[in-house]
Amino acid sequence: DGGITQSPKYLFRKEGQNVTLSCEQNLNHDAMYWYRQDPGQGLRLIYYSQIVNDFQKGDIAEGYSVSREKKESFPLTVTSAQKNPTAFYLCASSMGGAGGLFQYFGAGTRLSVL
Amino acid sequence: GQQVMQIPQYQHVQEGEDFTTYCNSSTTLSNIQWYKQRPGGHPVFLIQLVKSGEVKKQKRLTFQFGEAKKNSSLHITATQTTDVGTYFCAGPRGNQFYFGTGTSLTVIP
Repeated sequence: DGGITQSPKYLFRKEGQNVTLSCEQNLNHDAMYWYRQDPGQGLRLIYYSQIVNDFQKGDIAEGYSVSREKKESFPLTVTSAQKNPTAFYLCASSMGGAGGLFQYFGAGTRLSVL
Repeated sequence: GQQVMQIPQYQHVQEGEDFTTYCNSSTTLSNIQWYKQRPGGHPVFLIQLVKSGEVKKQKRLTFQFGEAKKNSSLHITATQTTDVGTYFCAGPRGNQFYFGTGTSLTVIP
């Protein structure tokens, strides 16, 4: 089955700890995205990547980091600098940029702070 | 910068009633997309509108793109409990998508 796999489904972070959320896709899509969703809120863009080894900050990149070493993978690290990390994190991909293409989403990771 | 606003934020309807959500952009959009997110789930793509004044239907769902390509609407006829969820519109901004705040639909049986 083609799709996007996010893991883990639930994650708990201790104070001062960095945690990494995994996102893998086998759709052969060039573009990948990370969004944060707070309860009752819309989706806010954290980072996006159009091609391997290149990525750009979204609207709320502070306290997060990403890498894009492989086309299929776009992991997100929530660093200790992110003071309010509790949220639902969604990874998405599309064949290209936003010009005319829609996004596929993974099932998400729910991050909580202990 | 570009903003995409959606109204209403919440809507409760009796099963069988109609439902409409509206999406408004501060700038002209090349296209607009609609997604549905079920409670506890992830957004799923529903449809994309590209042409000015375009109307598309999917069973009981009707999607419209405004003549000026700055607004859009989603109308559901005779809602069912399976329609429950949050409906988002999204417009492109460069290589990004900018999502509206969403309309959460509750259907009362």
